[in-house]
Amino acid sequence: DIQLTQSPSFLSASVGDRVTITCRASQGISSYFAWYQQKPGKAPKLLIYAASTLQSGVPSRFSGSGSGTEFTLTISSLQPEDFATYYCQQLNSYPLTFGGGTKVEIK
Amino acid sequence: EVQLVASGGGLIQPGGSLRLSCAASGFTVSTNYMTWVRQAPGKGFEWVSVIYSGGTAYYADSVKGRFTISRDNSKNTLYLQMNSLRAEDTAVYYCAREFRDGGNSRVGIDPWGQGALVTVSS
Repeated sequence: DIQLTQSPSFLSASVGDRVTITCRASQGISSYFAWYQQKPGKAPKLLIYAASTLQSGVPSRFSGSGSGTEFTLTISSLQPEDFATYYCQQLNSYPLTFGGGTKVEIK
Repeated sequence: EVQLVASGGGLIQPGGSLRLSCAASGFTVSTNYMTWVRQAPGKGFEWVSVIYSGGTAYYADSVKGRFTISRDNSKNTLYLQMNSLRAEDTAVYYCAREFRDGGNSRVGIDPWGQGALVTVSS
């Protein structure tokens, strides 16, 4: 199985901050990679697919980059509605696997 | 509007069986790759199963031989039959669609249903 190591697991930031979350895969997965946002009690929401493509309706302050084994999610200017938990996922092969999550909280 | 609505969760004793349903609207289940993903309380996500448009199914090792994914094309509904349930199967179960690009490669999971809570306890 492909392991995903996501960091940091917890992040404290202020509104307007630039935030970066990283995910490392245990083997190369090309660009078969996605990022999700989850708020308490809700289903995950797809933010970025194919490593760097913004899902329709997602604000442009979110961006993704990387390929192979290193991937990054960047929020250019953190907004109040962005405080949530973020997960990465590889879609290169079954079983599809997820990172452990990054909880973004208000400083 | 593209939407998935899951149902059938509940409290079940170890060793018991339960069937989850997931009704789709706005798209056709049978022509898509449909999946189940679960999230144990306070934990991350675990992929459970997928069924291809052609009917081929794959399972996580943790549920293989106990869970069965299926669909009813006439009802546009996805199912997950869960047998021999264990305490470690306790989770919110999400049904979802594999999001594929023009080359039919998996690129994400979207949309997701609202989730169905399954609690396995005596």
